[in-house]
Amino acid sequence: GAGVSQSPSNKVTEKGKDVELRCDPISGHTALYWYRQSLGQGLEFLIYFQGNSAPDKSGLPSDRFSAERTGGSVSTLTIQRTQQEDSAVYLCASSLVGTHTDTQYFGPGTRLTVL
Amino acid sequence: ELKVEQNPLFLSMQEGKNYTIYCNYSTTSDRLYWYRQDPGKSLESLFVLLSNGAVKQEGRLMASLDTKARLSTLHITAAVHDLSATYFCAVEEYGNKLVFGAGTILRVKS
Repeated sequence: GAGVSQSPSNKVTEKGKDVELRCDPISGHTALYWYRQSLGQGLEFLIYFQGNSAPDKSGLPSDRFSAERTGGSVSTLTIQRTQQEDSAVYLCASSLVGTHTDTQYFGPGTRLTVL
Repeated sequence: ELKVEQNPLFLSMQEGKNYTIYCNYSTTSDRLYWYRQDPGKSLESLFVLLSNGAVKQEGRLMASLDTKARLSTLHITAAVHDLSATYFCAVEEYGNKLVFGAGTILRVKS
């Protein structure tokens, strides 16, 4: 595809439910990132996948958050037992690591609202 | 821990005027990025700065980097309404992780 795509674009859920957010990176990009954007915290790094290496999970805020990347392409971010403070826009980005700039290209985001 | 500070956080300016957004960061880094975000939209890459003294220009925007001062600037020349957006600087920490500034909301008034 032309760019990073994410689905759904909006998700409203009830507190305590689990949610899955999907990211399709730019074809051929080796690295995939998840960030969260909220009014109180700004833009925060969550997790980073690069090739077959173990992911960098250092930004995940709690063990309710997990992410997978299957086949080196599509990624799913799962939030279990959602809380109201999880409400935010979840942004996915991808890059071609090893290039001169390693620019991260962002998707449109998933707006998550936890009621 | 890398910290990134932007200022000002809000900038209201008249069309045709010049202004500068500042981005300070706390530890050494190899790369600094500027992104633009329109309301309800995602982040659009504007510039990547890789070395001390680097300067990049695109239209009315010019970005520069001073790695010794740990300072980047985004200069706006003769602002036009279409430049209204939120501008973020982001500094690369280890492992390609980006640490973002809080963002500068720019409003250009006709």
